[in-house]
Amino acid sequence: QQPVQSPQAVILREGEDAVINCSSSKALYSVHWYRQKHGEAPVFLMILLKGGEQKGHDKISASFNEKKQQSSLYLTASQLSYSGTYFCGTAKTSYDKVIFGPGTSLSVIP
Amino acid sequence: NAGVTQTPKFRVLKTGQSMTLLCAQDMNHEYMYWYRQDPGMGLRLIHYSVGEGTTAKGEVPDGYNVSRLKKQNFLLGLESAAPSQTSVYFCASSYVGSGDPYNEQFFGPGTRLTVL
Repeated sequence: QQPVQSPQAVILREGEDAVINCSSSKALYSVHWYRQKHGEAPVFLMILLKGGEQKGHDKISASFNEKKQQSSLYLTASQLSYSGTYFCGTAKTSYDKVIFGPGTSLSVIP
Repeated sequence: NAGVTQTPKFRVLKTGQSMTLLCAQDMNHEYMYWYRQDPGMGLRLIHYSVGEGTTAKGEVPDGYNVSRLKKQNFLLGLESAAPSQTSVYFCASSYVGSGDPYNEQFFGPGTRLTVL
């Protein structure tokens, strides 16, 4: 079952912050975040495993609340290069396949 | 080190025709995947493989077949193409499975397929 992402789309000005949410109705083992720029292939950002950990990647970080079956991606002080579509993928067990959500389109304008 | 490559980059088919998409990776990855991407639908897993000689169904396997005869190659076949299979197809590979903290899927550049 595909995870739900919100918002569907967001427009930011440079320097603003954004949060993208990913949720599932099933218990999750892992959450995977990818970014895809227009016309390009998706690129890995980070993976979060069951345990409620938080990870960071430059000014992009994420958290995983396993009780709520929800992950949030935080983009701080957004840059033009952050524009793209962000996908979360979820897996129910350590050996399950990853199922991706529909994506969140993020546009950063000057 | 080319990473993940896909052949062809573009293809136009007529309904009922068949074709094979080739994915190759030079990173010695065990896992390989085929996705299709349609507007508003995200990446949907068609088939995947956890090692040479093995394949498994993903979310949307109907109308597609796959083979993994060599570790570095993963082929996606359409036996009788339909307009509903018009999409962008991405291949990906990873060294470990989804439960590993080092799981990272490396994607190919994609194949844009149009079925008329």
